[in-house]
Amino acid sequence: QKEVEQDPGPLSVPEGAIVSLNCTYSNSAFQYFMWYRQYSRKGPELLMYTYSSGNKEDGRFTAQVDKSSKYISLFIRDSQPSDSATYLCAMIDSNYQLIWGAGTKLIIKP
Amino acid sequence: NAGVTQTPKFQVLKTGQSMTLQCAQDMNHNSMYWYRQDPGMGLRLIYYSASEGTTDKGEVPNGYNVSRLNKREFSLRLESAAPSQTSVYFCASSGGGTDTQYFGPGTRLTVL
Repeated sequence: QKEVEQDPGPLSVPEGAIVSLNCTYSNSAFQYFMWYRQYSRKGPELLMYTYSSGNKEDGRFTAQVDKSSKYISLFIRDSQPSDSATYLCAMIDSNYQLIWGAGTKLIIKP
Repeated sequence: NAGVTQTPKFQVLKTGQSMTLQCAQDMNHNSMYWYRQDPGMGLRLIYYSASEGTTDKGEVPNGYNVSRLNKREFSLRLESAAPSQTSVYFCASSGGGTDTQYFGPGTRLTVL
């Protein structure tokens, strides 16, 4: 079993919809959680970074961490075609290394 | 600031050939990383350098070597390429610890 599980998709939604992307993890010691966005043929770029449980909002993006359920989410409001990308979740382990989900491919249809 | 740069962007090798992937960062970061990305596998750490002068193995180090040339540069060498090393390779850098990792544009390597 992988330490971080993420549905690879693809997830296809119409423009303007609310998108929910999720990851589950097995190590209860994880405390730092990240979402990276990766456009086709590009490197990943950090989108959201949260510590411990709770919500963090940045514009149309909201990151949510539920440590009791070992579950993190990324919500995208008013989705745009430019949001079409692969979204990777990542967590920092006790050696300060990133543990990655496989990534979810998101397609926003105009 | 260019951030993290990688060369080459694309490379095709024959089995058994060797090559070095170059990475440089201009953010004065202490830590640098090499990952490979394969479909459905996410990113897997090959080697990392927590600071200038140190290197350590990651999750998938077999078949690779690294050199931290100075604070800016971190190279990845394939001594005898194998088809299983066909992948996209990313270099990243960070301030270390829990700091954000910043990624380069990647090198697409095909081994025939």
